[in-house]
Amino acid sequence: DTAVSQTPKYLVTQMGNDKSIKCEQNLGHDTMYWYKQDSKKFLKIMFSYNNKELIINETVPNRFSPKSPDKAHLNLHINSLELGDSAVYFCASSQDPRNEQFFGPGTRLTVL
Amino acid sequence: AQSVTQLGSHVSVSEGALVLLRCNYSSSVPPYLFWYVQYPNQGLQLLLKYTSAATLVKGINGFEAEFKKSETSFHLTKPSAHMSDAAEYFCAVRRGGTSYGKLTFGQGTILTVHP
Repeated sequence: DTAVSQTPKYLVTQMGNDKSIKCEQNLGHDTMYWYKQDSKKFLKIMFSYNNKELIINETVPNRFSPKSPDKAHLNLHINSLELGDSAVYFCASSQDPRNEQFFGPGTRLTVL
Repeated sequence: AQSVTQLGSHVSVSEGALVLLRCNYSSSVPPYLFWYVQYPNQGLQLLLKYTSAATLVKGINGFEAEFKKSETSFHLTKPSAHMSDAAEYFCAVRRGGTSYGKLTFGQGTILTVHP
């Protein structure tokens, strides 16, 4: 069974559209994260939730809105997509904010 | 604030040769340090971590890293490279103590292993 899963794996869309990426973990972890990996492979944290509470909110456009319906899920909704949003988005989870993070396989978003 | 610098965006070794991937960090408090590996089109997999216990840390796949506070380094090594080690490697730092999980990554080092 996949520990941290993301859907979809690939997402191709037009500028201006709204899209969502879903993440689920079956590890029983309390903390989940979203990272963005740009075209140069640079990884940067975007958000983190602990027990469904937002604990990290980096400088990210407010077009990006995370939602955590329960501890096992952290979804990322993006409004009014722009070309610069094209990247690979990784979800991760950890037992708590101090433990190692386990990453999902990534979602490659391409905005045309 | 913490930061990570990985020296060398590309490292190429022969199969069977020593692998050395360099990582230097800066942190205002004792850090937690991690090495992750990313195979093509896959997510990141944890290789090893340093959390203020032993300074020499052994990880998976024969990799190890040594925390050197005086040099602010956490270099990753493997005595003998295998073709399957070809991947991109990321060093990451997190503040110790009650920090809320924010990992700061280096820019990555692509390891190429040739026969």
